[in-house]
Amino acid sequence: AQRVTQPEKLLSVFKGAPVELKCNYSYSGSPELFWYVQYSRQRLQLLLRHISRESIKGFTADLNKGETSFHLKKPFAQEEDSAMYYCAPPSGNQFYFGTGTSLTVIP
Amino acid sequence: KAGVTQTPRYLIKTRGQQVTLSCSPISGHRSVSWYQQTPGQGLQFLFEYFSETQRNKGNFPGRFSGRQFSNSRSEMNVSTLELGDSALYLCASSLGQPNTEAFFGQGTRLTVV
Repeated sequence: AQRVTQPEKLLSVFKGAPVELKCNYSYSGSPELFWYVQYSRQRLQLLLRHISRESIKGFTADLNKGETSFHLKKPFAQEEDSAMYYCAPPSGNQFYFGTGTSLTVIP
Repeated sequence: KAGVTQTPRYLIKTRGQQVTLSCSPISGHRSVSWYQQTPGQGLQFLFEYFSETQRNKGNFPGRFSGRQFSNSRSEMNVSTLELGDSALYLCASSLGQPNTEAFFGQGTRLTVV
């Protein structure tokens, strides 16, 4: 089964600083990877998926097959980015979520 | 378009009791998945239903069961509740094709005392 590791449970950055949330996967083949986000008191929602290669809310994520990583990056963090972030490979119709990283952006 | 709706939002039950949680998917979505969210374990997949059939199952004991109705609404049942079953239970719906976006409900917060 697909598995991912999010090594940081908690991450704090100052507003305006770059932010990188790490995600490493440990399976072979061509991974399909998603990032989901959960803002305070809101439901879990899709942030972006690697296959679309798009930037959402200033976030990007590049699949690095050599390093087996799919880190989420944003050049300038905003206070509204404070949330719980989950890296998630799907398998069919189920997601194998990582343990999540709680991001706090300090004003 | 209405989102995924879960009822009830909060439940308090006693050890040994059973509980039923309900999920109404987005109109047109035939796949409903259930997840358990706890601070220590994160989000863990319970099972997925598609067209009234359980299509995938996670690694949970048989006390956890579910079903799906012809209108795609789904219920999850937990019997003989244990303290460790206290968690946020999330339901997600999707069109049912592999590797497509799942839309989540706000969850049911179950507390077992």
